[in-house]
Amino acid sequence: GQSLEQPSEVTAVEGAIVQINCTYQTSGFYGLSWYQQHDGGAPTFLSYNGLDGLEETGRFSSFLSRSDSYGYLLLQELQMKDSASYFCAVRDPGSNYQLIWGAGTKLIIKP
Amino acid sequence: NAGVTQTPKFQVLKTGQSMTLQCAQDMNHNSMYWYRQDPGMGLRLIYYSASEGTTDKGEVPNGYNVSRLNKREFSLRLESAAPSQTSVYFCASSISEGNTEAFFGQGTRLTVV
Repeated sequence: GQSLEQPSEVTAVEGAIVQINCTYQTSGFYGLSWYQQHDGGAPTFLSYNGLDGLEETGRFSSFLSRSDSYGYLLLQELQMKDSASYFCAVRDPGSNYQLIWGAGTKLIIKP
Repeated sequence: NAGVTQTPKFQVLKTGQSMTLQCAQDMNHNSMYWYRQDPGMGLRLIYYSASEGTTDKGEVPNGYNVSRLNKREFSLRLESAAPSQTSVYFCASSISEGNTEAFFGQGTRLTVV
């Protein structure tokens, strides 16, 4: 089976940089995805890493190291609107490659 | 362009009652999914439909049934609601089964008393 671990909560200051880590244990690996969810809202897709390295999309970047079974989401120039929960997810070959989700990291941003 | 639309947004049921959650997408996606989300937890897959005419169980299918009515619509039915089914339910769709970018509806907040 698959399991993912990410911190339950991270606090940062507006304008700063924050990194949210995700480690996974999988029987096979088919990429790491990141989603954002505001309180009371729906998850929205942020990024996907299928290969090692850094993927950049504006203020957000995502990194993957398959040899370490580890990835992170990097948020730069934090804004108050970035306050949300962030989920990592991997595809599970044992379940027809459906997404298995981490428990989420709540990002709290202080002025 | 509405994306993924779920109804209802809120529902309170008594134990033993039944109900159907409706979901429709207008993005011409092949794959559709039903998830539940409990406090402090990630999403757990209930059922999915890789393409029109097919449905498969996910991680937590017990107590639920689904129908892929056509390419656009995918409904979730609770035949006899239980308090353990109190949760937030999300419908999602993606272009194909292997595509990692899923689009979500706004959720249904269900309370079973």
